[in-house]
Amino acid sequence: NAGVMQNPRHLVRRRGQEARLRCSPVKGHSHVYWYRQLPEEGLKFMVYLQKENIIDESGMPKERFSAEFPKEGPSILRIQQVVRGDSAAYFCASSPNPTVGYVSNQPQHFGDGTRLSIL
Amino acid sequence: AQSVAQPEDQVNVAEGNPLTVKCTYSVSGNPYLFWYVQYPNRGLQFLLKYITGDNLVKGSYGFEAEFNKSQTSFHLKKPSALVSDSALYFCAVRLILDSSYKLIFGSGTRLLVRP
Repeated sequence: NAGVMQNPRHLVRRRGQEARLRCSPVKGHSHVYWYRQLPEEGLKFMVYLQKENIIDESGMPKERFSAEFPKEGPSILRIQQVVRGDSAAYFCASSPNPTVGYVSNQPQHFGDGTRLSIL
Repeated sequence: AQSVAQPEDQVNVAEGNPLTVKCTYSVSGNPYLFWYVQYPNRGLQFLLKYITGDNLVKGSYGFEAEFNKSQTSFHLKKPSALVSDSALYFCAVRLILDSSYKLIFGSGTRLLVRP
């Protein structure tokens, strides 16, 4: 069984360009979480999505950042007009529907991340 | 504000010795508690969790953790460290009543096990 797949693993962009990060959850998982890890820091929650819905985007910057999880295909984290401060590792995690019984206390499964570097 | 503290940036132990990686939390409400490990250029791997019941939980690779409600701590332990345990360890909490199910992470502790 494939785990959470993220691509690309490494992405280099110049200031002002757009970055698109993709995440395919574990097969059967309908819920996706995006986290950002700055150098030498822990992960910070950005956004929580289920298919075609954003459930919680309280950790995502209001400008330039957007996320989607369409009915078909991977979840996308999009950063427009990137700046140097966007350089970080972006991790995606997935879970089954956490509102269903015991699933609510199950761990999230993480991908290997996308390392974004802004020149 | 909800927070998780890992007071040690790095823990150094000799192979074969016991190890402890500390974690305390400050949350409003009851939490689920987790430990994850991160190897270089990889994502986080789940080690163990505390949900309810016995305060001592056992997880992968011989790790265990003790939940202490009065001290709001969830320290990670292993009786005998291996060089291969060297990695970055993260403690995380999730509030039981948080409808977004998001994890709140500590800043991480680097474990270095010397031969």
